[in-house]
Amino acid sequence: AQKVTQAQTEISVVEKEDVTLDCVYETRDTTYYLFWYKQPPSGELVFLIRRNSFDEQNEISGRYSWNFQKSTSSFNFTITASQVVDSAVYFCALRPPGAGSYQLTFGKGTKLSVIP
Amino acid sequence: EAGVTQFPSHSVIEKGQTVTLRCDPISGHDNLYWYRRVMGKEIKFLLHFVKESKQDESGMPNNRFLAERTGGTYSTLKVQPAELEDSGVYFCASSRGRSAKAYEQYFGPGTRLTVT
Repeated sequence: AQKVTQAQTEISVVEKEDVTLDCVYETRDTTYYLFWYKQPPSGELVFLIRRNSFDEQNEISGRYSWNFQKSTSSFNFTITASQVVDSAVYFCALRPPGAGSYQLTFGKGTKLSVIP
Repeated sequence: EAGVTQFPSHSVIEKGQTVTLRCDPISGHDNLYWYRRVMGKEIKFLLHFVKESKQDESGMPNNRFLAERTGGTYSTLKVQPAELEDSGVYFCASSRGRSAKAYEQYFGPGTRLTVT
């Protein structure tokens, strides 16, 4: 069975602070895919990143960075110098390998509030 | 390129009534998915279409739910008869048919269903 845990239900930070959103996953598959999505107040889930399990390189995209550690089954997301527009619910998700199943397993999400 | 659209954005119905939700995927996306989030829970997978065929419907909760994708374009999700526990946000997502891009699912804004 697959499971994604986002232990932080809500986080509040002051603008310009750095913030890390935690994601821990469980899977029996040796290969898999990990994702982060952002859900702004408008409601849609916005795709942020996809990471293959065989690629443990960390990734940086502007103020966003992701730290994938297979040894601890974690895929944490850091926002540097947070801004009010970063306020949203962030979801971590896991997908099994292979062509048979494309379904995503989501965590419960972390609500981030960035206070001006 | 237009994103995934869903209609209606909100629906309030009484227990026992029927509701039909519609999803228009991104043009050219062969894969279409339905997910649901009930209050306080994770976003859960319902089913996956590849063009007009159901690839995976393992997440459909029971036979009160019927999904169709006529002609491999838009999809509908009908709930008949609706029960109180069906309340939640229903998300639709789509992805391309081939290559690693198929792993990136793009979500719509969701339909908030309230059954009273």
